[in-house]
Amino acid sequence: NAGVTQTPKFRILKIGQSMTLQCAQDMNHNYMYWYRQDPGMGLKLIYYSVGAGITDKGEVPNGYNVSRSTTEDFPLRLELAAPSQTSVYFCASRPPGNDGEKLFFGSGTQLSVL
Amino acid sequence: AQSVTQPDIHITVSEGASLELRCNYSYGATPYLFWYVQSPGQGLQLLLKYFSGDTLVQGIKGFEAEFKRSQSSFNLRKPSVHWSDAAEYFCAVGFYNQGGKLIFGQGTELSVKP
Repeated sequence: NAGVTQTPKFRILKIGQSMTLQCAQDMNHNYMYWYRQDPGMGLKLIYYSVGAGITDKGEVPNGYNVSRSTTEDFPLRLELAAPSQTSVYFCASRPPGNDGEKLFFGSGTQLSVL
Repeated sequence: AQSVTQPDIHITVSEGASLELRCNYSYGATPYLFWYVQSPGQGLQLLLKYFSGDTLVQGIKGFEAEFKRSQSSFNLRKPSVHWSDAAEYFCAVGFYNQGGKLIFGQGTELSVKP
């Protein structure tokens, strides 16, 4: 199993450009999450999904969109990139079960908006 | 509002010394509690978790944590730190029936002196 795979690992965008951060998992996990990590701020939840076709906002959803057409994939879309979106983005998933199951994290995407 | 606080942004300990990282949460009931570790350039890895039962939980790499309901705390400890423990440590809380979302603390960066 590859686990949680994120692409790309690094990206530089210009202000106003758009891009999609890809996330795929091969563990048949229902739940998937997108977090952003800023220095000294911990991880903040952007969006999450409890299954294919179902998504919901987290703590910091503005400027982002997601879709969940399959169990495996959970892409994160930035429509009009802004410098405030410079961050490290982590995708995570977890298996079905109680809400205390651990998260499996990808290795992250480092995004700079200049 | 639900929150997680890690009061120490950066801690330095000598190799072989003991370690305690602090975590406090704010919530009306007992949440699910987690400690994750992040090595540079990597995603997060679960160290240990608490759901219920024995308030002292053991994790990987010789770490343990104690839940104290009266203090709303879940402090992480290790009796003897190794140089390879240098990393960033995150406390996180999850809540029943909220899609497995986690709220993370700001993180504590651990440096280990030879």
